[in-house]
Amino acid sequence: SQQGEEDPQALSIQEGENATMNCSYKTSINNLQWYRQNSGRGLVHLILIRSNEREKHSGRLRVTLDTSKKSSSLLITASRAADTASYFCATDVVQGAQKLVFGQGTRLTINP
Amino acid sequence: EPEVTQTPSHQVTQMGQEVILRCVPISNHLYFYWYRQILGQKVEFLVSFYNNEISEKSEIFDDQFSVERPDGSNFTLKIRSTKLEDSAMYFCASSEKAADEQFFGPGTRLTVL
Repeated sequence: SQQGEEDPQALSIQEGENATMNCSYKTSINNLQWYRQNSGRGLVHLILIRSNEREKHSGRLRVTLDTSKKSSSLLITASRAADTASYFCATDVVQGAQKLVFGQGTRLTINP
Repeated sequence: EPEVTQTPSHQVTQMGQEVILRCVPISNHLYFYWYRQILGQKVEFLVSFYNNEISEKSEIFDDQFSVERPDGSNFTLKIRSTKLEDSAMYFCASSEKAADEQFFGPGTRLTVL
């Protein structure tokens, strides 16, 4: 698998349900960042979790990081139609710092 | 809230022409980046810039590409002789420190005909 691979590639749920997206990576990281992208638009920064952190919260978002498994998850609770977007994880790798490596993303659809 | 801005939002050019994409990073940020996203593909790193020099560049960032911080606010990406395969959304980003949150601009959609 490539650095920063999201799973699933697409997720469709009902409004009000929780959405969980996963990200796996291969190399050691400084941090992992999650972004949201609405169709054809810019990347909105959601949350950063550092390699020495295990969990972080921001509003309805909860991010976990397991460096032993080289994986992260993004949980969106009580989803809303406005959460419909693509979600990307991006890793800031230790070697060759100052660049983010993005995955292919998870396309999340919230059905009203 | 401070944000990264980019101009133009859409640029159409003929193959072989030079284009300059402009970005204004967040004012107190010191690290600047360019990424691109070809339609339907993932976001790819192009170059990072700090202290008036390139910190790192990808294989994509060949001699046809250059970056510049011409003044205290702007950060530009120049493509000297555009190719069809340069058609993509180009994103500028900035961060206050290394290994910190990177905030992205809205992007410039470049179409090469």
